[in-house]
Amino acid sequence: GQQVMQIPQYQHVQEGEDFTTYCNSSTTLSNIQWYKQRPGGHPVFLIQLVKSGEVKKQKRLTFQFGEAKKNSSLHITATQTTDVGTYFCAGDFGNEKLTFGTGTRLTIIP
Amino acid sequence: DTAVSQTPKYLVTQMGNDKSIKCEQNLGHDTMYWYKQDSKKFLKIMFSYNNKELIINETVPNRFSPKSPDKAHLNLHINSLELGDSAVYFCASSRGQGISYEQYFGPGTRLTVT
Repeated sequence: GQQVMQIPQYQHVQEGEDFTTYCNSSTTLSNIQWYKQRPGGHPVFLIQLVKSGEVKKQKRLTFQFGEAKKNSSLHITATQTTDVGTYFCAGDFGNEKLTFGTGTRLTIIP
Repeated sequence: DTAVSQTPKYLVTQMGNDKSIKCEQNLGHDTMYWYKQDSKKFLKIMFSYNNKELIINETVPNRFSPKSPDKAHLNLHINSLELGDSAVYFCASSRGQGISYEQYFGPGTRLTVT
């Protein structure tokens, strides 16, 4: 079936270091969304990317959508303890439903 | 005010029982969803309703039956619970149908089947 893979599955970083998670699909996505889920919490929408090659920034977070619309990345600059959580990408394969990625769990070492 | 609420937050029950989870959204959204998140954190859509009409019905055992009495409510009834049903169930809503709209998730219901 259609899947969206994320790497890495886990990432431990020292506070202040940068963090990147990558999202890959075998087929073209119509668009992609990113969500953050804090430990014990629920997914919270971060952003949506629609255009090929699109780059969007939210403070220390930078989101990119690949030129072929098959991959995406989220980069966090100078991580803080509040960044802890699992980051999910979610894409649409043209079937009008979100297929969530496998998630990257970020832990911060103070 | 909570945008998307679910009850109960925790549900512990024995195999074979029947249970229901309720969801309500006060955002005025047209579309509501049920997701299942397993122990490995995989998040998978189960059902989607748009204006009380079933839109998405994934490959889910027919022991699971959603019901939307109005567009602000979406309930999930589960018959003959099995160990594998243990998971966190999230309700979500969006302004419209389709991928263009961000989804707002409820706090989740942690179901444990013993």
